[in-house]
Amino acid sequence: GNSVTQMEGPVTLSEEAFLTINCTYTATGYPSLFWYVQYPGEGLQLLLKATKADDKGSNKGFEATYRKETTSFHLEKGSVQVSDSAVYFCALRKETSGSRLTFGEGTQLTVNP
Amino acid sequence: EPEVTQTPSHQVTQMGQEVILRCVPISNHLYFYWYRQILGQKVEFLVSFYNNEISEKSEIFDDQFSVERPDGSNFTLKIRSTKLEDSAMYFCASNRDRSSYEQYFGPGTRLTVT
Repeated sequence: GNSVTQMEGPVTLSEEAFLTINCTYTATGYPSLFWYVQYPGEGLQLLLKATKADDKGSNKGFEATYRKETTSFHLEKGSVQVSDSAVYFCALRKETSGSRLTFGEGTQLTVNP
Repeated sequence: EPEVTQTPSHQVTQMGQEVILRCVPISNHLYFYWYRQILGQKVEFLVSFYNNEISEKSEIFDDQFSVERPDGSNFTLKIRSTKLEDSAMYFCASNRDRSSYEQYFGPGTRLTVT
């Protein structure tokens, strides 16, 4: 079946550090890939998406590239801010599975000033 | 900006009791979902709902669970005869149509079964 695996967490960084959160997936065919973010006390929000191989999703300085050859969708940001502290979820959606999202474990990011 | 709301934010119940978790999806959305996250585990899909019927459900969504849209605004998840392992965060989500990529999530209801 479909699955998503994220890097072990949590992650603690200093402000302006470079961020990478790894995400790999298992699925047949061509799923759509997503990163969701959850700020404290709020629901999950879509951060970025990519719907086909080699697509790059980007938003708020975050980027992720859909790599079919390595079945990966790693999240990166060049310079994190304290306000980026949140939980980040990688997810996939396969059309043949309806519109359900399959999530990774989530990674807690803490950015210290 | 429209948002999905959920009540209550925290529900404590005794094992064997029935609970109803409530959600108000965004008003012009047509597809509704429930997900749950057991502490320390992944967010898991439970069920999707469209046109007043279940469109898809996972293996988790057995006869203990039911969903309903009792009026034009609420979307509820009922859990009968709760078990300790039902303790989790339950998220409601909605989107405008099936092809829309973004599902809008509520803040969640933390259910604690004692």
